[in-house]
Amino acid sequence: GQQLNQSPQSMFIQEGEDVSMNCTSSSIFNTWLWYKQDPGEGPVLLIALYKAGELTSNGRLTAQFGITRKDSFLNISASIPSDVGIYFCAGQLANAGNNRKLIWGLGTSLAVNP
Amino acid sequence: KAGVTQTPRYLIKTRGQQVTLSCSPISGHRSVSWYQQTPGQGLQFLFEYFSETQRNKGNFPGRFSGRQFSNSRSEMNVSTLELGDSALYLCASSYRTTRGEQFFGPGTRLTVL
Repeated sequence: GQQLNQSPQSMFIQEGEDVSMNCTSSSIFNTWLWYKQDPGEGPVLLIALYKAGELTSNGRLTAQFGITRKDSFLNISASIPSDVGIYFCAGQLANAGNNRKLIWGLGTSLAVNP
Repeated sequence: KAGVTQTPRYLIKTRGQQVTLSCSPISGHRSVSWYQQTPGQGLQFLFEYFSETQRNKGNFPGRFSGRQFSNSRSEMNVSTLELGDSALYLCASSYRTTRGEQFFGPGTRLTVL
């Protein structure tokens, strides 16, 4: 099935550092979503984006809907140990008609060294 | 408001058996989607139900089926289990009218021996 290109695949950083990850596609999207998943749990929605160029923050997290509508990025500032987990992007294709299922990236695994 | 609940949380079955997983969406949500998650494969979409009707289906064999009840609760069934069916099965609910936001349950961890 179709998937988003999410990078990097994994990151290992020091506590206090900033983190950046992104998702790209050759298709145009009308919605971008960012989720975080802790081990053994379901993904939790962090940020939802609906307009090209939209920049939205949730605490130390900031995400943007790319101007071309083909990409999105997520930044985490001043990382802390509880930021550890897998971050997923997901998008809803524009002009999908009734087929509005989400397309998912494979995730970015984040490890934070205290 | 209570979140999405899934039962059971853990399940161990043997090859050839069948299994039924249950999902109760957030109150007022009418859409339920099911995903299979395995290491390195991300979330693979199984199907979506809305008002008791299957609206979308992923690329899984016919052994995987689902249904939704009038109270929006959903079940998925896997028949003739194979070793490769071992995975975390996630259920997500949403308002149909919102633009894609889905809220996930904790998942059911299925192990096939």
